[in-house]
Amino acid sequence: EAGVVQSPRYKIIEKKQPVAFWCNPISGHNTLYWYRQNLGQGPELLIRYENEEAVDDSQLPKDRFSAERLKGVDSTLKIQPAELGDSAVYLCASSLEGRSMETQYFGPGTRLLVL
Amino acid sequence: KNQVEQSPQSLIILEGKNCTLQCNYTVSPFSNLRWYKQDTGRGPVSLTIMTFSENTKSNGRYTATLDADTKQSSLHITASQLSDSASYICVVSNNAGNMLTFGGGTRLMVKP
Repeated sequence: EAGVVQSPRYKIIEKKQPVAFWCNPISGHNTLYWYRQNLGQGPELLIRYENEEAVDDSQLPKDRFSAERLKGVDSTLKIQPAELGDSAVYLCASSLEGRSMETQYFGPGTRLLVL
Repeated sequence: KNQVEQSPQSLIILEGKNCTLQCNYTVSPFSNLRWYKQDTGRGPVSLTIMTFSENTKSNGRYTATLDADTKQSSLHITASQLSDSASYICVVSNNAGNMLTFGGGTRLMVKP
């Protein structure tokens, strides 16, 4: 069974440019998470979806970040315009129903470098 | 404020040796605590999960302990192998299950 798939794996852009990340969760997983992980730190939640509904986006910088999960499966996270401080690894994770005892399965992440 | 603190930040040990990583948390109300292993360039992978009533859980050479009274957990790695080189992240979930608090991780390097 395929795990969480993310693309691209690496992205280098200049500041003020837009960038988008794509995530395909494990089949059948209703809950999808986007995290940002800075170097040497643990992941920080950006947004959580239950099916196509964003149920927690309190940590998403909405002035420049947006996300969508139109059909409740794949998801896209966009940054426009990117800033130098956005350089980080963006991790996508999924779980069955988003309950506390469920394991979150993480993708390999997209490593973003903003120059 | 919910926090998870891990120590040490980094650790270098020789292959075959044991080591113990620490995690202190202030998450309330507490639901469960997980240890994740994150290899370089990969996403975290769950190693163990413990609830309030569990005080030890093993997964091969990994043994996690939990003291819910002092809000401390440890991850003990026995007979380390080169493949144990990774970051180990402590993650605590609240009762609602919708809030995970991640520690900053301990970066372990196992040398031959």
